[in-house]
Amino acid sequence: DAGVIQSPRHEVTEMGQEVTLRCKPISGHDYLFWYRQTMMRGLELLIYFNNNVPIDDSGMPEDRFSAKMPNASFSTLKIQPSEPRDSAVYFCASTTFKITTNEKLFFGSGTQLSVL
Amino acid sequence: GDSVTQMEGPVTLSEEAFLTINCTYTATGYPSLFWYVQYPGEGLQLLLKATKADDKGSNKGFEATYRKETTSFHLEKGSVQVSDSAVYFCALLARAAGNKLTFGGGTRVLVKP
Repeated sequence: DAGVIQSPRHEVTEMGQEVTLRCKPISGHDYLFWYRQTMMRGLELLIYFNNNVPIDDSGMPEDRFSAKMPNASFSTLKIQPSEPRDSAVYFCASTTFKITTNEKLFFGSGTQLSVL
Repeated sequence: GDSVTQMEGPVTLSEEAFLTINCTYTATGYPSLFWYVQYPGEGLQLLLKATKADDKGSNKGFEATYRKETTSFHLEKGSVQVSDSAVYFCALLARAAGNKLTFGGGTRVLVKP
């Protein structure tokens, strides 16, 4: 299995531009999580999906952020317009809790976003 | 709400030294507890876990015991190696909170030869 795949690996953009981050979860996983990691705030949960439906988006910082999961194999996190304070590493993770002993998240390698 | 507090880093050690990273939590019900590790330039990966009180999780020489009475899950390793240099995250999963994994702030560990 290829694991959780995120793209791009690095993104550099200018303030005000739209940024789209992509994630392909592991096949068969029904939960998908988006996290943001910064030095100041550590690892923050932004939003998570179950069976493609957003369950909790209370961590999304503001209306500039949006996330979609149109099908079980693809999710996007969009920032429009982007701001320098959005610079961070964004991680996608997936899992299934159908196996009660599982309880393990599989993380992608992350997208390093720099907004100039 | 659920929360995890872990000691701030960085923690700098010499090779073969003893490592302890403290972690305490607050949660409703009976959460499962985890330690994840993040090596430079990579995503997080599960190091060990414990699902009920007094369980001990262990992996790669690391251990942590689920202490319900002190709401703690401290990570220990008796003899660290340079390759253990990483960021370590304590986390909890409370099923009552909708299968949401809550992480601590992370502790950076640097092991010097």
